[in-house]
Amino acid sequence: EAGVAQSPRYKIIEKRQSVAFWCNPISGHATLYWYQQILGQGPKLLIQFQNNGVVDDSQLPKDRFSAERLKGVDSTLKIQPAKLEDSAVYLCASSPLAGQGTGYTFGSGTRLTVV
Amino acid sequence: AQSVTQLGSHVSVSEGALVLLRCNYSSSVPPYLFWYVQYPNQGLQLLLKYTTGATLVKGINGFEAEFKKSETSFHLTKPSAHMSDAAEYFCAAVRQKVTFGTGTKLQVIP
Repeated sequence: EAGVAQSPRYKIIEKRQSVAFWCNPISGHATLYWYQQILGQGPKLLIQFQNNGVVDDSQLPKDRFSAERLKGVDSTLKIQPAKLEDSAVYLCASSPLAGQGTGYTFGSGTRLTVV
Repeated sequence: AQSVTQLGSHVSVSEGALVLLRCNYSSSVPPYLFWYVQYPNQGLQLLLKYTTGATLVKGINGFEAEFKKSETSFHLTKPSAHMSDAAEYFCAAVRQKVTFGTGTKLQVIP
C-alpha cells in the first residue's frame, strides 16, 4: 500500500512570499489532516477534511493560510504571505474514518524555512 | 480541554538498557491513545495504539505500552534499547480531536 505522499520535501522562501504544499493521501482514506510541527513541539492540527468538506479548521490562521481538497482526494495547503514564525514542518495525514481509534498514516512532511 | 504530558524532553539510555518514556493524559473519559516515532527528516510512524480491550499493548520494534486508567498514564517501554531506537517519540490522545504531547527525544549511548 502506498503511503501518504507530500511535496516538496523542503522549501525555503523569503517572508511575505507565498508557498503551497501538496498532499496525496492513501487511496480510499476519507479523512485528511494538515498539521504544523514547530521545532521542539508536537504536531498541531491546522485543518481536517472529511472527503471534500472541512470538519475542523479552528486552529488555521485564516488570514494567511488556506487549504482545499476539491475532489475529496488530494489537498493543497497555501500560505500567503509567509511570516518567519511559519517556519515548521507541515505534515499531512490520512485515515479511513474520522480517526477515532483507527490511527493515522503520516506523510514525510514538508520542511518550510522562512527567511 | 484535553492535554497530553510527556515527562522529559530528552531521555538518554545505554544500549541494552530499559527504555521508559512517560505519557500522561488529562481527560475524564479515557481517550484512544497512541505512540508515534519520528526519525530525523521523516514523518510520524505509528508504534502502537490503545483503543479498547487489553491494557498492555504491543507494538513494532519491541515496544509496548500499558494503559493505566487509575494513573491516567500510557507509558512506553522497551526491555533493551538498540542504537536504532534513537528518535523522537510522541504520545497522542484522541477524543473529538487529536492532541499530541511535546515529544521526548531518546538518545541511545553505545
